[in-house]
Amino acid sequence: EPEVTQTPSHQVTQMGQEVILRCVPISNHLYFYWYRQILGQKVEFLVSFYNNEISEKSEIFDDQFSVERPDGSNFTLKIRSTKLEDSAMYFCASSTIGFAGAYQETQYFGPGTRLLVL
Amino acid sequence: GEDVEQSLFLSVREGDSSVINCTYTDSSSTYLYWYKQEPGAGLQLLTYIFSNMDMKQDQRLTVLLNKKDKHLSLRIADTQTGDSAIYFCAEKYDSSASKIIFGSGTRLSIRP
Repeated sequence: EPEVTQTPSHQVTQMGQEVILRCVPISNHLYFYWYRQILGQKVEFLVSFYNNEISEKSEIFDDQFSVERPDGSNFTLKIRSTKLEDSAMYFCASSTIGFAGAYQETQYFGPGTRLLVL
Repeated sequence: GEDVEQSLFLSVREGDSSVINCTYTDSSSTYLYWYKQEPGAGLQLLTYIFSNMDMKQDQRLTVLLNKKDKHLSLRIADTQTGDSAIYFCAEKYDSSASKIIFGSGTRLSIRP
């Protein structure tokens, strides 16, 4: 069964450093998402991406974050200058379509990247 | 406002049924989901229900939706030790093409 994959599974970085989290969405999916889960808290939406541009972003997704689809298979989240509070599990998700009206819009999640900022 | 609420913990005896409850606030929700997260793992989609349905059954899982009360429940029949996990209720709106709003998760533990 196709699945979303993410690398690395764990990343430790120093405050102020840049990190890139990588995701390979399910191959026929067109919408891509990043969510994060700070330890002990809810899973929070960060950003959605379609047709090579951001379609929606939350207030968490400020200028230090960016997303990119550098090729036909990868989807990345870059954090430019990491802060201690960026420590979280970051989940990538993908769906066939993004709008209401059909079952295909269900989002499938990857296993997550656990980011620790020291 | 956007909010999904769940109780934090549930403990059941192995073989009994587990019922995990959830309330949501936005009546325009189109899809309601249950995701499962095992320790150290990602979010696994268990099941979903459209807002125009009252019930959905899938093997040991039964989802009940009360739209009037904005209440969603997940029943797991014959609960097994492998069902130990955190269960997240989540909703998705008509008004948003994108985001899913998650509850805090209910940690299900199984007693022998």
